[in-house]
Amino acid sequence: GPKVLQIPSHQIIDMGQMVTLNCDPVSNHLYFYWYKQILGQQMEFLVNFYNGKVMEKSKLFKDQFSVERPDGSYFTLKIQPTALEDSAVYFCASSLELGGPSSYEQYFGPGTRLTVL
Amino acid sequence: QQKVQQSPESLIVPEGAMTSLNCTFSDSASQYFAWYRQHSGKAPKALMSIFSNGEKEEGRFTIHLNKASLHFSLHIRDSQPSDSALYLCAVSRAGGYKVVFGSGTRLLVSP
Repeated sequence: GPKVLQIPSHQIIDMGQMVTLNCDPVSNHLYFYWYKQILGQQMEFLVNFYNGKVMEKSKLFKDQFSVERPDGSYFTLKIQPTALEDSAVYFCASSLELGGPSSYEQYFGPGTRLTVL
Repeated sequence: QQKVQQSPESLIVPEGAMTSLNCTFSDSASQYFAWYRQHSGKAPKALMSIFSNGEKEEGRFTIHLNKASLHFSLHIRDSQPSDSALYLCAVSRAGGYKVVFGSGTRLLVSP
């Protein structure tokens, strides 16, 4: 089936550094999402993105966070500067949301495990 | 602000039993209701979704939605050890609105 890719799978960085997480969504999808999940816990919505713009963001999407998808390339989440509490697995997801109910299904990437030291 | 709650938090059932998972939501304008399954260390994967009141069955899995009660559920018939995972319910107004996930029910099916 359709696949979402995420690069890298793991990232270890020092607190205060910048990190960029990359997502290659399903090719014809229109909506893109980032979620944060601390090990084995709840999947928490960060932000969704459509037509080049942020549509909604949660309280977890701090000022240090930004997203973009320049010219149909990777959908990225940048954190600058990072903090200890940013350590988590970050999942990217995409959906089509055009047409029938099945188009609302979100396809998730395998996640990027971010460790901030 | 949409609130989505799942019960129970965890569940152990014997192989072959029926499993029932529950999800309540707060936004009556919600239109998309889905269950996702996440195996340990893996990405969540959609199991089933429903848009209108009633039931939908796919194989051993049945989703039931009651919008008036702000409740939907997932029932797994003849539960198998391979069904052991974290089950997440998801709710959205659809049309690009964010999807809100519940905190999950951890299911263990014992052989």
